[in-house]
Order: sequence, then structure tokens, then C-alpha cells
Amino acid sequence: EAQVTQNPRYLITVTGKKLTVTCSQNMNHEYMSWYRQDPGLGLRQIYYSMNVEVTDKGDVPEGYKVSRKEKRNFPLILESPSPNQTSLYFCASSPRGNSYEQYFGPGTRLTVT
Amino acid sequence: SQQGEEDPQALSIQEGENATMNCSYKTSINNLQWYRQNSGRGLVHLILIRSNEREKHSGRLRVTLDTSKKSSSLLITASRAADTASYFCATDNSNYQLIWGAGTKLIIKP
Repeated sequence: EAQVTQNPRYLITVTGKKLTVTCSQNMNHEYMSWYRQDPGLGLRQIYYSMNVEVTDKGDVPEGYKVSRKEKRNFPLILESPSPNQTSLYFCASSPRGNSYEQYFGPGTRLTVT
Repeated sequence: SQQGEEDPQALSIQEGENATMNCSYKTSINNLQWYRQNSGRGLVHLILIRSNEREKHSGRLRVTLDTSKKSSSLLITASRAADTASYFCATDNSNYQLIWGAGTKLIIKP
């Protein structure tokens, strides 16, 4: 089944404790991206990747890191999480970029205390 | 930056009625997409309309695009309880990003 998977789905952590949210797609898509969703703000893009080893900042990259060493994986790293990073996070992929249908993962609900 | 803005923010209608949502944007686009999100879950793609298209249909969905007014509308005909969700429009820009609106929350009353 074609899908985007994220892990974990729920995470409660404390300020400053490094964490990684994994994202994997099995559709051989070139384009992957990370979003955060906050009430009333819609989706805001954190980082995106056009292909392996190619990443770029979105609208809200501060406090986040990403890497794209393999085509299928695009982990999101929070080196030192803060409470303002409490949010719902989505990973998405598409064949070649934003002019194509985006396939979303199920979301990761992160709470930083 | 928020390019797409949906209107209304919330809409409540009776099952069987039609639902119309609007999206306005600020800069020129290559395409506009509509997505549905059931509460707290991942977004699901509904339809993509390119800037040189004026109307597109998919089942009970009808999307129009007016590039002169920088606006789009999503019409859901003969609504069902399962259509209860939030609906988002997304537009692309020249920097390979999708810009999303804050969404319209649609409630279908039985």
C-alpha cells in the first residue's frame, strides 16, 4: 500500500531533550516536506527536500533540522525542543514538487513541557 | 507567509444540502489544490486545478478558479455526514513551496 508513515504518533517530552520524528514513504517520491499545524494558522512548512541531499528552509525552520540521506526517509530533528514547538506535525511527499498531489502522513502530536 | 485564505471559517449545513467554500490568494500561481482533513488526521488531496483551467469536477466536487480575482471555490453537492471535516486550499509559489490557508470547518448535520 502506498503510504507515508511517521513515528512516533504521539510524544510528550521535556524542554531541551533532543528528539527525532521519522518519516518514510514507499512511493519513490522525490519531494518530501515537513509541516506544523497550529489552531487557526493552517499548515506552515518547516523544511522541504527536492531530492536526496537537497534540503531547503520553509517558512518556520528555526529550531528544526532535517536530513535526506535516502530517498524514502526524511527525519525531523529537534535538537533542543521548547514549549513553543508543541504542535501537530505532518510529513508529506509528492512525485516531484508542489505542483503535484501531496501525500500526507498520519501526523505526530508533540507536547513539550 | 499565508497566501490562501478560506471563507467562511466555519460552515454548518443540513445533510443533502450543497456546501460552498472559497479561497482567495495574493500572488500569481501555477496551480491551486484543495485538501480535506478529518479531525486531527492527515490531509487528503481532493483536486488540483491548474492556472489555465477554469473549472474541474471530481464526483460530487466542483472546483472553479478565477485567476483575475485570485480566488477559487469548492462546491460539495448533496452533502453527507462523512463530508464533515476541515477543507484547505493550497497554492504554489515560485520557491517550490505550497502556501496554505487556515481552512474552513464544515459540519454536516443529520
